[in-house]
Amino acid sequence: QSVLTQPPSASGTPGQRVTISCSGSSSNIGSNTVNWYQQLPGTAPKLLIYNNGQRPSGVPDRFSGSKSGTSGSLAISGLQSEDEADYYCAAWDDSLKGILFGGGTKLTVL
Amino acid sequence: EVQLMESGGGLEQPGGSLRLSCAASEFTFSSYGMSWVRQAPGKGLEWVSTISGGGGSTYYADSVKGRFTVSRDNSKNTLYLQMSSLRAEDTAVYYCAKAQSGSYVWLDKWGQGTLVTVSS
Repeated sequence: QSVLTQPPSASGTPGQRVTISCSGSSSNIGSNTVNWYQQLPGTAPKLLIYNNGQRPSGVPDRFSGSKSGTSGSLAISGLQSEDEADYYCAAWDDSLKGILFGGGTKLTVL
Repeated sequence: EVQLMESGGGLEQPGGSLRLSCAASEFTFSSYGMSWVRQAPGKGLEWVSTISGGGGSTYYADSVKGRFTVSRDNSKNTLYLQMSSLRAEDTAVYYCAKAQSGSYVWLDKWGQGTLVTVSS
């Protein structure tokens, strides 16, 4: 079964650096890009990182992404209160022929 | 500015049908793949379906295959999702999203969502 696994929660204090992991398999992250979405409370998701580590225009460089093998990682440096949101990884799955989303990670800024 | 606006959500009984629409503006609609993504109340994101820019290629999640049909009218800049044989577990906010050139997964613009509730 194709699945992307994320920790359900993460937390940090303002100014800290936090990372969120996303574990997949050869049919998804292993052969395609890993991407990240941010969903602020009550709003639609927003593309945060695409193509493993690229940022769309307007996304601060505090956000960075990386990929290694069948896993991806999102790092947020200089944590701010407005970063409190749900974060989802996503990848195309060659077996399913569709988009897989991770279960989401709720980030709390303490 | 790129805009996507969903409509057509509402309350429907189990076994019923609904058609969602997504009106697009301020970009060359026919040049981009489009997707539907849903989110059940309090849950995570679930991909539903993707259609290529020309409409010739379509993809579906196993959970909706055979019940939902994605289509687009490029002359009207509109994306559709025809949903039939609705189940309680289809209850969710349905978002349409535009794919960036290069990958269907790079969903760079999203609508505000429309709520579908399946209940008797």
